[in-house]
Amino acid sequence: QLQLQESGPGLVKPSETLSLTCTVSGGSISSSTYYWGWIRQPPGKGLEWIGSIYYSGNTYYNPSLKSRVTISVDTSKNQFSLKLSSVTAADTAVYYCARMTTVTGHFDYWGQGTLVTVSS
Amino acid sequence: QSVLTQAPSASGTPGQRVTISCSGSSSNIGSNTVNWYQQLPGTAPKLLIYGNNQRPSGVPDRFSGSKSGTSASLAISGLQSEDEADYYCAAWDDSLSGPVFGGGTKLTVL
Repeated sequence: QLQLQESGPGLVKPSETLSLTCTVSGGSISSSTYYWGWIRQPPGKGLEWIGSIYYSGNTYYNPSLKSRVTISVDTSKNQFSLKLSSVTAADTAVYYCARMTTVTGHFDYWGQGTLVTVSS
Repeated sequence: QSVLTQAPSASGTPGQRVTISCSGSSSNIGSNTVNWYQQLPGTAPKLLIYGNNQRPSGVPDRFSGSKSGTSASLAISGLQSEDEADYYCAAWDDSLSGPVFGGGTKLTVL
């Protein structure tokens, strides 16, 4: 059974960089059938796609966040990572990593999510 | 402001059939398939419907999806108390080159 697990600091100071890693177990991140993505959910609000990456390193980013986002992949560790720079309180959210199919673009496996709070 | 539009709330009584709607545009629902996610309180979203009307293994056939033009619907028949959750529609958006979500519909089982 595929599992995804987010890890990283739960508290980030304003103007600093948020960094999270998603570890994939029970399957290979190098599968040609899937992208790997990050989605966030501010407290009490809806879901927002941040970006996705293919095992080769190809990336797609949400245009609204593109200038601040970097997603990378480490196939040797079966992990992919998110960096979001110049954070503000508006970036406070639960961050999820998930597997995305290449055909229909749906997310079929999700991590449990990790709350990141931006505060001094 | 979400790209896809959903009513913020819906309700029904046990055993009833309820429908949740999702409205988009030609760049998303109009040209791509629709997916639905169920988010129980305090948990991660779970894939409920993909490809407009396909259920992943383990999802009861009480849940069904449909699409027409730039709109889509999720129907839940035989409503149960455990169906009380937030439901999100989603679709690939050709202009964004990525998936977009609806704002979510909170379903209350009365």
